[in-house]
Amino acid sequence: EAQVTQNPRYLITVTGKKLTVTCSQNMNHEYMSWYRQDPGLGLRQIYYSMNVEVTDKGDVPEGYKVSRKEKRNFPLILESPSPNQTSLYFCASSLNWWSTDTQYFGPGTRLTVL
Amino acid sequence: GESVGLHLPTLSVQEGDNSIINCAYSNSASDYFIWYKQESGKGPQFIIDIRSNMDKRQGQRVTVLLNKTVKHLSLQIAATQPGDSAVYFCAATGKGGSYIPTFGRGTSLIVHP
Repeated sequence: EAQVTQNPRYLITVTGKKLTVTCSQNMNHEYMSWYRQDPGLGLRQIYYSMNVEVTDKGDVPEGYKVSRKEKRNFPLILESPSPNQTSLYFCASSLNWWSTDTQYFGPGTRLTVL
Repeated sequence: GESVGLHLPTLSVQEGDNSIINCAYSNSASDYFIWYKQESGKGPQFIIDIRSNMDKRQGQRVTVLLNKTVKHLSLQIAATQPGDSAVYFCAATGKGGSYIPTFGRGTSLIVHP
């Protein structure tokens, strides 16, 4: 089954404690991206990756890091989380950036930073 | 900067009716538009897309219309079913070579049986 998986699905942490949210896809997609979704604001892109070892900033990259060492994985790293990073996070993948009709989103990770 | 907005936060319809969800965008350089559906507790799901060289595109029970003159697009759902109940939002991208999409805030579609 084609899917994007994220872990953990729920996380409560404290300010400053480094965390990683994993994202993995099984469709051999080249393009992967991370979004955050906040009430009243809609989805905003954090980072995207066109392919292995190629990453770039989205609209709201501050406070986040990513890596793309392998095609299937695209982890989101918060080196020093702060309360304003409390949000619902989605990872997505597609064959390439313009093939949105092949896009799959993960189930989301709800992060609370105290 | 770019902004994408939906006209109504909530739309209530009866099962079997046609639904129309609207979206406006601000950047005339946007050339690729996408509609998504998001059910409660799930990630967004691609519905249909349209490029700026088209006015209309049809899918299964859905039609997207693009009016570049007034920078407006709409999603029409024919014979709406209870399973269509979800939040729908549009996205615009491709502006000036940028790969970063701008998303609207969403319209909640409620289908009454």
